[in-house]
Amino acid sequence: QLQLQESGPGLVKPSETLSLTCTVSGGSISSSRYFWGWVRQPPGKGLEWIGCIFYSGTTYYNPSLKSRVTFSVDTSRNQFSLRLSSVTAADTAVYFCARQIRTSAWYFDYWGQGTLVTVSS
Amino acid sequence: QTVVTQEPSFSVSPGGTVTLTCGLSSGSVSTSFYPSWYQQTPGQTPRTLIYTTNTRSSGVPDRFSGSILGDKAALTITGAQADDESDYYCVLYMGSGIWVFGGGTRLTVL
Repeated sequence: QLQLQESGPGLVKPSETLSLTCTVSGGSISSSRYFWGWVRQPPGKGLEWIGCIFYSGTTYYNPSLKSRVTFSVDTSRNQFSLRLSSVTAADTAVYFCARQIRTSAWYFDYWGQGTLVTVSS
Repeated sequence: QTVVTQEPSFSVSPGGTVTLTCGLSSGSVSTSFYPSWYQQTPGQTPRTLIYTTNTRSSGVPDRFSGSILGDKAALTITGAQADDESDYYCVLYMGSGIWVFGGGTRLTVL
């Protein structure tokens, strides 16, 4: 059974960079069938797609966040990572990592449990 | 920027049928957007219900069904149960590696 687990600091100061890693177990990140994505959810609000990365390193970003987001992938560790720069209180959210099917059916099939990141001084 | 629209809230009686919709601020939703639907109980991880318009994910009861109704994607719950009370999100694939979530619909069963 595929599992995804987010990890990283739960508290980030304003103007600093938020960094999270998603570790994938029970399956390989190096598959042409999938993207590996990030979704966030501010407290009491809806889900927002941040973007996704292919195992080769190709990235796709939500245009509204593109200027501040960077993804990376480490296939040797079966991990992918998110960096969000210049954070503000508006970036406080639960951050989920997810697997996204990318061939003939485009959707999210596995999700991590999510991790709350609070932006505060 | 493309906005995916959903009803903010909906209510249904136990045993009743409800249809939630997913539209676009500009244009029509078709199967080419590969609409998918997710259920989320507050504080929980989203659960995949429907993908590619009308395919149920593994383990999803057949009272959940997806379709295109007019110019929108639709999620229909037939014979609603108390534990269907959740937030429901649709997602559209816009092409070129871009996905967009709708704002979600809070479904109340009462």
